[in-house]
Amino acid sequence: GQQVMQIPQYQHVQEGEDFTTYCNSSTTLSNIQWYKQRPGGHPVFLIQLVKSGEVKKQKRLTFQFGEAKKNSSLHITATQTTDVGTYFCAGQVANAGKSTFGDGTTLTVKP
Amino acid sequence: DTGVSQNPRHKITKRGQNVTFRCDPISEHNRLYWYRQTLGQGPEFLTYFQNEAQLEKSRLLSDRFSAERPKGSFSTLEIQRTEQGDSAMYLCASSLGPGLQTQYFGPGTRLLVL
Repeated sequence: GQQVMQIPQYQHVQEGEDFTTYCNSSTTLSNIQWYKQRPGGHPVFLIQLVKSGEVKKQKRLTFQFGEAKKNSSLHITATQTTDVGTYFCAGQVANAGKSTFGDGTTLTVKP
Repeated sequence: DTGVSQNPRHKITKRGQNVTFRCDPISEHNRLYWYRQTLGQGPEFLTYFQNEAQLEKSRLLSDRFSAERPKGSFSTLEIQRTEQGDSAMYLCASSLGPGLQTQYFGPGTRLLVL
């Protein structure tokens, strides 16, 4: 079945440093979504990417969808303590109703 | 609050008991999803509905699990004869429908089976 892998599993950074998490799918995706889950919270939608090679930005966050639509990345510039949490990617294949989530990258930020 | 709601938020039960959880999606959303999440893992798909029709059920889901969405609005997830391995956070999410895959998650029901 479809598998979605994320690396790294954990990332510890000093406030102000950059952060990147990578997502790889075993199959070609029709779209990919990114979610953030704060400690003790539930996943909150961040963005959806649909087009091959697509790049979207949200303030300090930059999301990319690979040309082959099998990988994606999330990059945070100049991390802040409010960025703490686990970032999940979730991929969907064509004609499938469900999304398959990766196991997430947990970011901690040291002030 | 017009978000996804789930009840109860916490449930402690003894092994062998049955439990039922409820999810109320965002009112205009046609799709409703159930996921299970354990510590250090991403949400694991269980099943989803398009209106009242259950369109897919995970092969990992045993026969002890059943879900319903009788009127296409709220949904219930029942676990029969609970086992300690069922302990997890059960998340519900809803979305507008095909092609609009943004899923809005509820706060979850945390189940502990003793």
